[in-house]
Amino acid sequence: SQQGEEDPQALSIQEGENATMNCSYKTSINNLQWYRQNSGRGLVHLILIRSNEREKHSGRLRVTLDTSKKSSSLLITASRAADTASYFCATDTEDSSYKLIFGSGTRLLVRP
Amino acid sequence: DAGITQSPRYKITETGRQVTLMCHQTWSHSYMFWYRQDLGHGLRLIYYSAAADITDKGEVPDGYVVSRSKTENFPLTLESATRSQTSVYFCASTGWRDFSYEQYFGPGTRLTVT
Repeated sequence: SQQGEEDPQALSIQEGENATMNCSYKTSINNLQWYRQNSGRGLVHLILIRSNEREKHSGRLRVTLDTSKKSSSLLITASRAADTASYFCATDTEDSSYKLIFGSGTRLLVRP
Repeated sequence: DAGITQSPRYKITETGRQVTLMCHQTWSHSYMFWYRQDLGHGLRLIYYSAAADITDKGEVPDGYVVSRSKTENFPLTLESATRSQTSVYFCASTGWRDFSYEQYFGPGTRLTVT
């Protein structure tokens, strides 16, 4: 069964707007990661947040983590058409930091 | 070229045939993984390997066989392909970065079983 579940499943916004995606997971983790997948391509790592961190930034990306609620959010600010992709959260487990469990993903469409 | 490659990129096969998907990485990463991606299911782990000659089952291993005689190669074999195995298959390896594991994905193999 999947560890992470993303919400919403699909999101359509206008270029320049912010996009927020949420991820919930079930068990205790060491890290949570976000990946991006362009259509027909493999996944690419975006950002990692550790279980003892609450917020992390990387360029236009902002990730938050609430371990008490077992949830994370990915915010993409000032979106661009090139941000159109699917975004996945992935979690490890306390006893297996190298094996990731992926959520079902959020499909983001940024309209020019 | 450095990185992780998969072959073939596209494959059409018939039900009952054996098919092998290849994965090769040049980083000498210890851990390698095979996932399948289907609409509505995200990525599901089929098999993984911690090192040469060490493999273990993931979430959906039935109907698949793996081997890892060399660190850089991790082939996935469908012993008798079924239509339910029509999917996109991704290979990945794990590298250690910033004191955490990060997965690097291949471009995928789109497999159709008729």
